[in-house]
Amino acid sequence: AQTVTQSQPEMSVQEAETVTLSCTYDTSESDYYLFWYKQPPSRQMILVIRQEAYKQQNATENRFSVNFQKAAKSFSLKISDSQLGDAAMYFCAHHPTGGTSYGKLTFGQGTILTVHP
Amino acid sequence: NAGVMQNPRHLVRRRGQEARLRCSPMKGHSHVYWYRQLPEEGLKFMVYLQKENIIDESGMPKERFSAEFPKEGPSILRIQQVVRGDSAAYFCASSPGRHSPLHFGNGTRLTVT
Repeated sequence: AQTVTQSQPEMSVQEAETVTLSCTYDTSESDYYLFWYKQPPSRQMILVIRQEAYKQQNATENRFSVNFQKAAKSFSLKISDSQLGDAAMYFCAHHPTGGTSYGKLTFGQGTILTVHP
Repeated sequence: NAGVMQNPRHLVRRRGQEARLRCSPMKGHSHVYWYRQLPEEGLKFMVYLQKENIIDESGMPKERFSAEFPKEGPSILRIQQVVRGDSAAYFCASSPGRHSPLHFGNGTRLTVT
């Protein structure tokens, strides 16, 4: 069974500054994806960034990047040049790709990000 | 291209009633997943379906909950004889196949009074 832990229930950042959200996970799977999802008050689940476990290079999407440490089972999200629209709940998720586990994401508890103007 | 459509957005039921939640996947997506989000928690997997087949229902409560994805029409998550503990947001996601990211709908918030 997979577990995903987000140890920061809440984080805050000043507009235009950088913030890092932490995530650790535990899995026995050798092949998997890791995701960060953003959930604003509208409740919509928005995919922020995705990392394939077999890739050593850290994924980047515009102002969002990850620090993927496979051996340490760590997957942190860095948001650069924070904007007011980044304020939301952020979820880290593990997605095994083998066998019948496909589609069975395991989510962390979430981190509420507040952006101060 | 419309996203994953869920309806209703909000659903209120009294204890003992039935709740039916609908999900229309994105066009071209034949894989549907249901997740439940309890207050202040992350989403938890319930069931994975392909057209007319349940692939994995390991996250579904053993009683009162059922899901289907018929050949025609939306996927339905059905909760019989609802109790207050069923109050949650229920999310549907779809994908075109394996090794593709899941696309989530906006969820249905079920409130049991």
